Amino acid sequence: NAGVTQTPKFQVLKTGQSMTLQCAQDMNHNSMYWYRQDPGMGLRLIYYSASEGTTDKGEVPNGYNVSRLNKREFSLRLESAAPSQTSVYFCASSESGRTASGNTIYFGEGSWLTVV
Amino acid sequence: SQKIEQNSEALNIQEGKTATLTCNYTNYSPAYLQWYRQDPGRGPVFLLLIRENEKEKRKERLKVTFDTTLKQSLFHITASQPADSATYLCALPTSGGSYIPTFGRGTSLIVHP
Repeated sequence: NAGVTQTPKFQVLKTGQSMTLQCAQDMNHNSMYWYRQDPGMGLRLIYYSASEGTTDKGEVPNGYNVSRLNKREFSLRLESAAPSQTSVYFCASSESGRTASGNTIYFGEGSWLTVV
Repeated sequence: SQKIEQNSEALNIQEGKTATLTCNYTNYSPAYLQWYRQDPGRGPVFLLLIRENEKEKRKERLKVTFDTTLKQSLFHITASQPADSATYLCALPTSGGSYIPTFGRGTSLIVHP
């Protein structure tokens, strides 16, 4: 049972380069998320997709774009990488995004991105 | 604005003792609160959810309390073991209709043998 799978695990980029982080989940979840985690800042939501066909900005969307390719896949793109985007990126999914009764988030293993 | 506070200082305890971690929040009236565990180099893993109408919830050696008056949750690990060493995050649903969890910065727990 793979859960949430994200690639690549590690990446070094030069300033100005572009790249796409890939994410797929096999739990038939409706909602998917991209977070970044920085020392002292905790997890911050970049973008989310409450359901297939929709995407919304989170707390820190600047410099990123996302694509919900289908129900399983949600990619994060850095169009022109900057050193401030050096971080650990986590893809996550949940059964339903907008629910007041509980929303357990399942995380991938993380992608370590360094922009030099 | 909404704010979640967890002690940024690591909690060091001896094996066998009870660890107690705190999550305080302001400007919230969350319908539930969650606790996650994160090991170094790994993604967070869900542990427990407690709803606003529940005062306490238990799962094996874990106990969570939720005081909506104090706006505080306490997370207890009884008979702690070195394997419990990790960072523990609390999360609350964002207000305004999205209900997407917002995470605290986490508290590191170190259990010494």
